[in-house]
Amino acid sequence: QVQLVQSGAEVKRPGASVMVSCKASGYSFTGYFIHWVRQAPGQGLEWMGRINPNNGDTIHARHFQGRVTMTRDTSISTAYMELTRLRSDDTAIYYCARDTGGIYDSTLDYWGQGTLFTVSS
Amino acid sequence: QSVLTQPPSVSAAPGQKVTISCSGSSSNIGKNYVSWYQQLPGTAPKLLIYDTDKRPSGIPDRFSGSKSGTSATLGITGLQTGDEADYYCDTWDSSLSAVVFGGGTKLAVL
Repeated sequence: QVQLVQSGAEVKRPGASVMVSCKASGYSFTGYFIHWVRQAPGQGLEWMGRINPNNGDTIHARHFQGRVTMTRDTSISTAYMELTRLRSDDTAIYYCARDTGGIYDSTLDYWGQGTLFTVSS
Repeated sequence: QSVLTQPPSVSAAPGQKVTISCSGSSSNIGKNYVSWYQQLPGTAPKLLIYDTDKRPSGIPDRFSGSKSGTSATLGITGLQTGDEADYYCDTWDSSLSAVVFGGGTKLAVL
């Protein structure tokens, strides 16, 4: 069965960086985009960007330009999202999700369990 | 401020029908497919509707999706207390070259 398993919760200081991993199983990892979506406490969903695991191409939301890097390691079917220069308002649950839609589409059919990271001094 | 506009909350009685709207523009809903997600408290979102009006395997036909112009609608019939959740719409925005989400709608089944 399709599964996306994310790394565990983290606590970081403002200004630090954090990397979240998302290990895929049960399907061909290179066949589907992986998106990253975050949700601040009590807030809605916010799209961060996506990566094409086949060739590594990425698209990021403008809000995160310059601070987010999305990569993948096809040998272990894992996607990574690194966020730098952390601020307190980056405290959120971060999700990875598989996309079965096309290039101009968003059909997020499987989601990871979420990774909470807290930014606090 | 979300690119897609949803009502913050809706409510209806068990067994009744409710609709949730998602308003966008010609660069997003007006030209691209819409998806809907259900998020139960403390859990990851779950895909309910994709390609505007299609249901994934396992989603009951009580859930439906439609679109007219730059607005999309999620319909839920035969409401159950288990339907109490937050609901989000999303689509691709061709001007932003980005996925955009609605702000979410909290459904109360009273």
